[in-house]
Amino acid sequence: GEDVEQSLFLSVREGDSSVINCTYTDSSSTYLYWYKQEPGAGLQLLTYIFSNMDMKQDQRLTVLLNKKDKHLSLRIADTQTGDSAIYFCAEGGGSQGNLIFGKGTKLSVKP
Amino acid sequence: DSGVTQTPKHLITATGQRVTLRCSPRSGDLSVYWYQQSLDQGLQFLIQYYNGEERAKGNILERFSAQQFPDLHSELNLSSLELGDSALYFCASSVGHGYTFGSGTRLTVV
Repeated sequence: GEDVEQSLFLSVREGDSSVINCTYTDSSSTYLYWYKQEPGAGLQLLTYIFSNMDMKQDQRLTVLLNKKDKHLSLRIADTQTGDSAIYFCAEGGGSQGNLIFGKGTKLSVKP
Repeated sequence: DSGVTQTPKHLITATGQRVTLRCSPRSGDLSVYWYQQSLDQGLQFLIQYYNGEERAKGNILERFSAQQFPDLHSELNLSSLELGDSALYFCASSVGHGYTFGSGTRLTVV
């Protein structure tokens, strides 16, 4: 079945770049998503990429997609303490229709 | 405010009891999804409704059921509750691709 894998933790210093990686299995996924969850809150859609794109940039966020390796990454430039949260990768539009989420990467930003 | 409203925010109940979680989707969104978030299992898809009809089922236990009403709000019913059902339950809605999530209901079974 479909599966999405992410590393569980990432720690960076304020001002550095953060790169969060994700692998997925459903090659029929149409869109791939990054969501952010702050403590005590729901998931907030950060950005998404269509499966026929290699890269998408949105201000400090850059998404890279390697469809051959089924690898997705999210780069956050100039990481701030307010970026501390859990980041979820998700694939969707594939055979199941609903979004399949990874377990989330907890990003800690040290001042 | 995401536009997806979930009530209640917190719920504490005893084992064996039954609870109902409520979700109002964003205005215009026809699809409602329910997810369970626990520390060890991450975000698990439970069930999807589209315009009142069940569209897809995930890892939903037989003790759980849901429905979507004509006004498009949805309810998730959890019965014969066990300690392991303690989790955050999220509702999300969509009109196309990508979901908008509510802030969740934290269920604690004691």
